[in-house]
Amino acid sequence: AQSVTQLDSQVPVFEEAPVELRCNYSSSVSVYLFWYVQYPNQGLQLLLKYLSGSTLVESINGFEAEFNKSQTSFHLRKPSVHISDTAEYFCAVSTSQGGSEKLVFGKGTKLTVNP
Amino acid sequence: NAGVTQTPKFRVLKTGQSMTLLCAQDMNHEYMYWYRQDPGMGLRLIHYSVGEGTTAKGEVPDGYNVSRLKKQNFLLGLESAAPSQTSVYFCASSHRGLEAFFGQGTRLTVV
Repeated sequence: AQSVTQLDSQVPVFEEAPVELRCNYSSSVSVYLFWYVQYPNQGLQLLLKYLSGSTLVESINGFEAEFNKSQTSFHLRKPSVHISDTAEYFCAVSTSQGGSEKLVFGKGTKLTVNP
Repeated sequence: NAGVTQTPKFRVLKTGQSMTLLCAQDMNHEYMYWYRQDPGMGLRLIHYSVGEGTTAKGEVPDGYNVSRLKKQNFLLGLESAAPSQTSVYFCASSHRGLEAFFGQGTRLTVV
């Protein structure tokens, strides 16, 4: 069975500092990997995804994540954060097998960007 | 585009009452999911469906039932609500387990 571990429940940083949100997964088969962001009182929005190909994927607002198969990780990074990046971030995994794919989420990491 | 629409947005139930949450998507997605979100627990999968007429259990299915009679709709039912079911419920849909699109959530309180 697949599972997702987000190693940090809360990450406080100062504005313009770099940040890394860690995500590890376990699965016996090939996976699709995702990062979602949730702003207060809203639903989840896709931030970026890894389906195949290049192991480094980027979002339009400066986040990037790298798929590392040997370490079963998909850490999210941003070199310089803004106040507006304050939100909760969820890592998710879905298997690539046909039939009964499930999208399973980690417990989330609350990123707080302080001035 | 409407995307994924959940009805209702808020609801207060008394213990033992029943209710149905409706999820509708207009993207012709095969897969639909119901999650609950609780503080510190992330999103936990309740039930999901990989196509019209099919449903499957997720991580926390007890106390809930679902139906997918039409491809665009996925209903979540609580037959006898309990305070432990107080939560925010999210519906999502996707094309074959790929990028999921979420509704805005239903905040349910059981007193």
